[in-house]
Amino acid sequence: AQSVTQLGSHVSVSEGALVLLRCNYSSSVPPYLFWYVQYPNQGLQLLLKYTSAATLVKGINGFEAEFKKSETSFHLTKPSAHMSDAAEYFCAVSDPGGGNKLTFGTGTQLKVEL
Amino acid sequence: DADVTQTPRNRITKTGKRIMLECSQTKGHDRMYWYRQDPGLGLRLIYYSFDVKDINKGEISDGYSVSRQAQAKFSLSLESAIPNQTALYFCATSEADGQETQYFGPGTRLLVL
Repeated sequence: AQSVTQLGSHVSVSEGALVLLRCNYSSSVPPYLFWYVQYPNQGLQLLLKYTSAATLVKGINGFEAEFKKSETSFHLTKPSAHMSDAAEYFCAVSDPGGGNKLTFGTGTQLKVEL
Repeated sequence: DADVTQTPRNRITKTGKRIMLECSQTKGHDRMYWYRQDPGLGLRLIYYSFDVKDINKGEISDGYSVSRQAQAKFSLSLESAIPNQTALYFCATSEADGQETQYFGPGTRLLVL
């Protein structure tokens, strides 16, 4: 069975500061990994995904994530936070060939302060 | 126009009532999913469908049923709603291309009194 752990249900950063949202996964096979973002009163939007190609994945809005097999991690980063980045972020894992079923983490609420 | 739509967007109902949530998509995807989101729990899979004739239970299917009326439509029913089914419900779609990316609707906020 797969699982995802997101450390920190709430993260607060200053505008312009580095954003780091942590995600660790557990999977019996090489996984596919995803980061989704949810803005208030909206559905989930794909930020980026890792599907066994390059381990450093670049996404939309300046976000990127690095797949580290040895650490079973897929942390999300952005060099400089913007007020518009305030949202909830979800890490998810799927089992390639497992029918597109995603297992989500519990989410991290990002707050960006002036 | 949105690729994945959900109706209604908000619904208040009473315990014991039957309620249906509807999802439609114009993406042409074969695979569709229903999730519920609860604060602090993330999203959990209720049911999923790989095509019109292939419907499967997810992690938390008890108390729910689904109907795949067409490739583009996937409905979720609560036969007898109970308060702990109060949640935000999302429909999602994906292609059967091995890339696993799912595309989400805007959600239905359900309150069961």
